Amino acid sequence: GEKVEQHESTLSVREGDSAVINCTYTDTASSYFPWYKQEAGKSLHFVIDIRSNVDRKQSQRLTVLLDKKAKRFSLHITATQPEDSAIYFCAASIGSFNKLTFGAGTRLAVCP
Amino acid sequence: EAAVTQSPRNKVTVTGGNVTLSCRQTNSHNYMYWYRQDTGHGLRLIHYSYGAGNLQIGDVPDGYKATRTTQEDFFLLLELASPSQTSLYFCASSDRQKDTQYFGPGTRLLVL
Repeated sequence: GEKVEQHESTLSVREGDSAVINCTYTDTASSYFPWYKQEAGKSLHFVIDIRSNVDRKQSQRLTVLLDKKAKRFSLHITATQPEDSAIYFCAASIGSFNKLTFGAGTRLAVCP
Repeated sequence: EAAVTQSPRNKVTVTGGNVTLSCRQTNSHNYMYWYRQDTGHGLRLIHYSYGAGNLQIGDVPDGYKATRTTQEDFFLLLELASPSQTSLYFCASSDRQKDTQYFGPGTRLLVL
């Protein structure tokens, strides 16, 4: 089955700098790649996603890049703020019935 | 914003005990999911359902049963709980037309 690897387990950046979180997947049939955010002690909520018919998607300070050849996708956060501090999970789905496979998570700390 | 609730929020049981975790969504979503979250593993899918009476096996189903009694309600059953099932359990739901999953607040289970 699909395996999603999240390369950075922790990431620390200075407020205002950019942060990049990288994920790779194994199944070439995967076509949907969402990102979820989990703040300390809270549940997960959706932040942004990308589908395999595009290679870039931007929403305000968030950009997702998809490299299908390398089976790699990444989340870029610009102008980081303390409220961006959280665990970020990447996930992949083959598309049928939205069965997601998650990465292990990246703990992002934005330091003042 | 989709609403997913879970009960109980915290549960302590003993090895061999019987536990039922409940999930309710009030957004008429077709799909519902049960995940467990463990450090180093991210979220792993236990069981999921396409609708009332339907049940699909996820990636880590051993030791778990599930039942979808209505469109709104999805239950996870641990009939002989083991310490390895100590975890944080999340329920989620999504619409058939859209891929975003909405997560409940989680249930923290401790098996002694």
